[in-house]
Amino acid sequence: DAKTTQPPSMDCAEGRAANLPCNHSTISGNEYVYWYRQIHSQGPQYIIHGLKNNETNEMASLIITEDRKSSTLILPHATLRDTAVYYCIVSPGGSQGNLIFGKGTKLSVKP
Amino acid sequence: DTAVSQTPKYLVTQMGNDKSIKCEQNLGHDTMYWYKQDSKKFLKIMFSYNNKELIINETVPNRFSPKSPDKAHLNLHINSLELGDSAVYFCASSPRLAGSSDTQYFGPGTRLTVL
Repeated sequence: DAKTTQPPSMDCAEGRAANLPCNHSTISGNEYVYWYRQIHSQGPQYIIHGLKNNETNEMASLIITEDRKSSTLILPHATLRDTAVYYCIVSPGGSQGNLIFGKGTKLSVKP
Repeated sequence: DTAVSQTPKYLVTQMGNDKSIKCEQNLGHDTMYWYKQDSKKFLKIMFSYNNKELIINETVPNRFSPKSPDKAHLNLHINSLELGDSAVYFCASSPRLAGSSDTQYFGPGTRLTVL
């Protein structure tokens, strides 16, 4: 079973920031927080991951709370092409890491 | 160049047939995976191979047999296809470096329909 909890769906206006929350209250010290997304009919796409510190890349920012029990994925300027199911996953990564996908959040970006 | 490729993209077949799905990655990764996404959109890992050795088999029926001729290829062979095998199958690869975070790269998927 997935170790994360996400809202089933969210809407966002085009051009605005999309903030997707994730709860992972049972996360272990060696587990990373990963975010993937799946655009309709395509394979999942890696977005970003982090361990303790906040992270930013060209796609998104990841904010992890100090106690690491929750995180937020931020898409700073959402476009229609960002409409997808977003998955938050915790995993130790490396040789022990498997991705267990939950139900994710269906983000709909509207014009 | 496509990083992770799968063939065919669509596969329609009759119950009881045997079929294979091929996967190739040109990323130089050591680990490859097969996932199944059912009609309810749940994505579940089936197998994981590291350097041609099986490291994960998630209670998948014996009718499913992964074959890895080299570390760039992981094919999925399915015997005696059943209606419940209809799904989208995704291949993925990762560097799987011990002691570090890991990122998986997914193929475009193969939609299998069993009639």
